[in-house]
Amino acid sequence: QKEVEQNSGPLSVPEGAIASLNCTYSDRGSQSFFWYRQYSGKSPELIMSIYSNGDKEDGRFTAQLNKASQYVSLLIRDSQPSDSATYLCAVNGRGKLQFGAGTQVVVTP
Amino acid sequence: EPEVTQTPSHQVTQMGQEVILRCVPISNHLYFYWYRQILGQKVEFLVSFYNNEISEKSEIFDDQFSVERPDGSNFTLKIRSTKLEDSAMYFCASSMGTGGRNKNIQYFGAGTRLSVL
Repeated sequence: QKEVEQNSGPLSVPEGAIASLNCTYSDRGSQSFFWYRQYSGKSPELIMSIYSNGDKEDGRFTAQLNKASQYVSLLIRDSQPSDSATYLCAVNGRGKLQFGAGTQVVVTP
Repeated sequence: EPEVTQTPSHQVTQMGQEVILRCVPISNHLYFYWYRQILGQKVEFLVSFYNNEISEKSEIFDDQFSVERPDGSNFTLKIRSTKLEDSAMYFCASSMGTGGRNKNIQYFGAGTRLSVL
């Protein structure tokens, strides 16, 4: 069974601080990795995609990928109350996305 | 900005009834998907669809489920005889492709909340 694992949280982060989210996956053949944000009762919204080892930055978000360790992470800099949501790690395997259970982030003023 | 649209936003049905959930994918996308999310659980893949055929389906997608692209814009999920355990959010997604950077990004609709009583 191919798995995507995340810490469920909640991860409490003071406003302005850095939130660090981690994800591990079991399918060594995976090539595409995504972070989605999901507000309660809403649909997943794409935050970042990453395909190569290393870092990818987009605004306040940085995704990091290490295929050898089968590890993906997301950093959220200067966290804002609007960043309070569940962050879903997703791995693309043959076209379908396999999701982790998500990490709930709570940004406290 | 192009988006995936789903209707209805909320569907209430009696156990054993048939339901059809509707989706309009992004217009230049070729691959379509259905996922579901039971309350408090992870998002689960149901089925992918390309060129008027199912590409892949999960073990959840049994004979009670079917998908169809009845015209050039709509993509539907039918549940023939709903069960209590079918109560969930159902998300439609679409992508331009399945391989290659950015082409395989899946964009999600707002979802249909299905409540089976």
